[in-house]
Parts: sequence; C-alpha cells; structure tokens
Amino acid sequence: GVTQSPTHLIKTRGQQVTLRCSSQSGHNTVSWYQQALGQGPQFIFQYYREEENGRGNFPPRFSGLQFPNDSSELNVNALELDDSALYLCASSQQGSSYEQYFGPGTRLTVT
Amino acid sequence: GQNIDQPTEMTATEGAIVQINCTYQTSGFNGLFWYQQHAGEAPTFLSYNVLDGLEEKGRFSSFLSRSKGYSYLLLKELQMKDSASYLCAVRDGKAAGNKLTFGGGTRVLVKP
Repeated sequence: GVTQSPTHLIKTRGQQVTLRCSSQSGHNTVSWYQQALGQGPQFIFQYYREEENGRGNFPPRFSGLQFPNDSSELNVNALELDDSALYLCASSQQGSSYEQYFGPGTRLTVT
Repeated sequence: GQNIDQPTEMTATEGAIVQINCTYQTSGFNGLFWYQQHAGEAPTFLSYNVLDGLEEKGRFSSFLSRSKGYSYLLLKELQMKDSASYLCAVRDGKAAGNKLTFGGGTRVLVKP
C-alpha cells in the first residue's frame, strides 16, 4: 500500500518541512493533497515519471520531488499558520487505472 | 474551474437508508468518485461513475446524471461503522493526469 512519514509533525512559522510518501509498487503517478480540518482534500500537484504533471492553486513555496524508487517528497518553505492540515499522497498508474490509493497522511501543525 | 457541492452533515438511524447528494460544475468531466473517510484516516475508494446510471456494490450504490451534473451515494442498512465523512470528487479530463477535485465532504452520523 501507500505509506507516509512522519505521522505527525509540529513546526514553527517560517520553518521548512519535508513530508515523504512511498507509492504502491508499480504506480508511476503520485498526487499530493492538503486537507484542512472539516474540509475536503485540495489538490496541490501531481508527479508523473519524476516530472510535475499538473498543479493546483498553491504558491511556489510548495514543491515536490518524485524518485525512481516509487518514493516522493512534498516540501513546504516559509511555513504559515494556515499550512496546518493533513497532507495526503495518493498513487495511481497513469493511463491504466482510474483509482487513486491514498496514504494515511501526515498531520502538520504550524505554531 | 470546478465547483462541487454536497451537504455538510447528515444524521440517520442504524438500519435505515441515507442518500448523500452531490452536484458539480466542471469544464471537462471525466468521472465521479465517492470516498469514505473515517476521522483521522485516509480516504478509501467506494465507487466510480463515468456513465449515467446506477452502480451497485453491496450496501452502497452510486448514481450519476451527467446532463444534470448530479450524483448521489446511497447507503443502505446503515451500520454504526458507517459513521464517517463521505467525499464526492470529480476528475477533470482537461487537466493533466488524474487530478481530482473534492467537495467538502458530508459527515454522516449513524445513531442506534
């Protein structure tokens, strides 16, 4: 399945954070979502074969990487209080699967 | 852009039926998904509709009308474990990849 680390994280405003995701084996696409409390997930961006392949309405301080070994990262610079949320990654197989498999998420709290 | 609306909260009794409606506006519809999400957990896939009509899967059914921009998720024989948030999501065929746009979710509370 899809795994994410860490489970929980507390950071201070202005700091930087890196969240990690390990996709389901064989999946070549990973999408990242931000889910504020009581809201639906909001699409941040997607990576396909290590290239960004679509982006939502998030500023450039949100960036990502995808590696050949099915792992990926979400980096957020200059953290703001509003960045406090559950961050979800979802993996899928581009072109052959309509279903995205979500990881358990990382709960980020910015103080 | 896309706009997805679903009720914020619904309450039902164990054993009853609940219908969660979802309306959407999108420029490039390419499928509608329903996910279940328990508090603090990841969303889990329930159903997928791309053609008009009803898809039945056990106690859960999902309906789609593309001309009306409307879908519903029907939960039958409600169980206490069905208390969760239900997310409607639309895939945009004009956007790169499998981008999903989610509604705000409907919190369903099942009472004994």
